[in-house]
Amino acid sequence: AQKVTQAQTEISVVEKEDVTLDCVYETRDTTYYLFWYKQPPSGELVFLIRRNSFDEQNEISGRYSWNFQKSTSSFNFTITASQVVDSAVYFCALSEATPGTYKYIFGTGTRLKVLA
Amino acid sequence: AAGVIQSPRHLIKEKRETATLKCYPIPRHDTVYWYQQGPGQDPQFLISFYEKMQSDKGSIPDRFSAQQFSDYHSELNMSSLELGDSALYFCASSRSGGAGTDTQYFGPGTRLTVL
Repeated sequence: AQKVTQAQTEISVVEKEDVTLDCVYETRDTTYYLFWYKQPPSGELVFLIRRNSFDEQNEISGRYSWNFQKSTSSFNFTITASQVVDSAVYFCALSEATPGTYKYIFGTGTRLKVLA
Repeated sequence: AAGVIQSPRHLIKEKRETATLKCYPIPRHDTVYWYQQGPGQDPQFLISFYEKMQSDKGSIPDRFSAQQFSDYHSELNMSSLELGDSALYFCASSRSGGAGTDTQYFGPGTRLTVL
């Protein structure tokens, strides 16, 4: 069965600190997709990144970077030099490439508080 | 860029009433998804439609029904509302409807409060 675990319920950092949000997933499929979404206090879900199971290259986008390791079934997200605007709940999600399966399975989210 | 539109943004209903939530996908997106997010919880998948046909189903109560119309917009109908239905309801859309291959873009959500 598919499952996403975000063990960190809440993290608080001081502005300009680096922070890593952990995501561990479970799936029996060999082809799957992983995502990160940001949910700011306003409530919308903002897409950040998608990674497929065959692409283990790490990715960097500005202050954001992602580390995908199939060996440990992890897809961690690092924010460098955090800013107050990064304060939000961050969700990791899994989607399997099984015909007829369209849903995302979300983790329980990590609330990040960046203090000025 | 155009985003997913949901209406209304806020809705207050009494127990046992009916509610209809609407979703307008991003232009040229052919698949819509509905999720329910309770307070402090992660979004839970309810149902999805591809080309006006139901494509996947999650933990959607029998009191809820949904459909996708010829212009690809979707409506989620909720009857006999219960207090526990109070939540943020997200609609998402994607293109091509391929299983698990499409990035879902989420709307701003409809916050439903049942009194």
